[in-house]
Amino acid sequence: DAGVIQSPRHEVTEMGQEVTLRCKLISGHNSLFWYRQTMMRGLELLIYFNNNVPIDDSGMPEDRFSAKMPNASFSTLKIQPSEPRDSAVYFCASSFQDSQYFGPGTRLTVL
Amino acid sequence: SQQGEEDPQALSIQEGENATMNCSYKTSINNLQWYRQNSGRGLVHLILIRSNEREKHSGRLRVTLDTSKKSSSLLITASRAADTASYFCATGISGSARQLTFGSGTQLTVLP
Repeated sequence: DAGVIQSPRHEVTEMGQEVTLRCKLISGHNSLFWYRQTMMRGLELLIYFNNNVPIDDSGMPEDRFSAKMPNASFSTLKIQPSEPRDSAVYFCASSFQDSQYFGPGTRLTVL
Repeated sequence: SQQGEEDPQALSIQEGENATMNCSYKTSINNLQWYRQNSGRGLVHLILIRSNEREKHSGRLRVTLDTSKKSSSLLITASRAADTASYFCATGISGSARQLTFGSGTQLTVLP
């Protein structure tokens, strides 16, 4: 198994642009988590899904952030419009039981 | 505030020495996990200990859990330069499905 796959690995965009981050889960996993990591705030849980249903989105910072899980193996995190303070590394992780498997992350820079 | 807090924030040791990192948490938990993150990479699961367990081993890793003190420790024996990474504890709470709350991490540097 290739593990959790994220794309793109790096994204540089200008303030106000729409950004879409993508994640492919490990086959057979039914929980999906989106995290954001910065030096200042550490690793923050943004939202998680169980069986394609959003369970807790209280970590989503603003309405500019939205996440979808259109099928059991794929998820997107969208930021529209993006702002410089959104610059961070965004991870998705999938889970079948108690432990989580992280993707390599997307490093987002908003200029 | 973070559920898990690691101590120390940074640790530097010589290759071959043992490294001990501690984690404290605030609420009742179902399990506690340790993860490693190499620079520029995602987190990798190392070991999980359940609330009814007191100690667990995996290779050179030893984890202890003291639920009365709400604390855990991760011991890496005979450290290697390749163990250089950030180490995070994460707590799973009963009734919260598989959601984990991560601490701020300990940066371990193993000098050759």
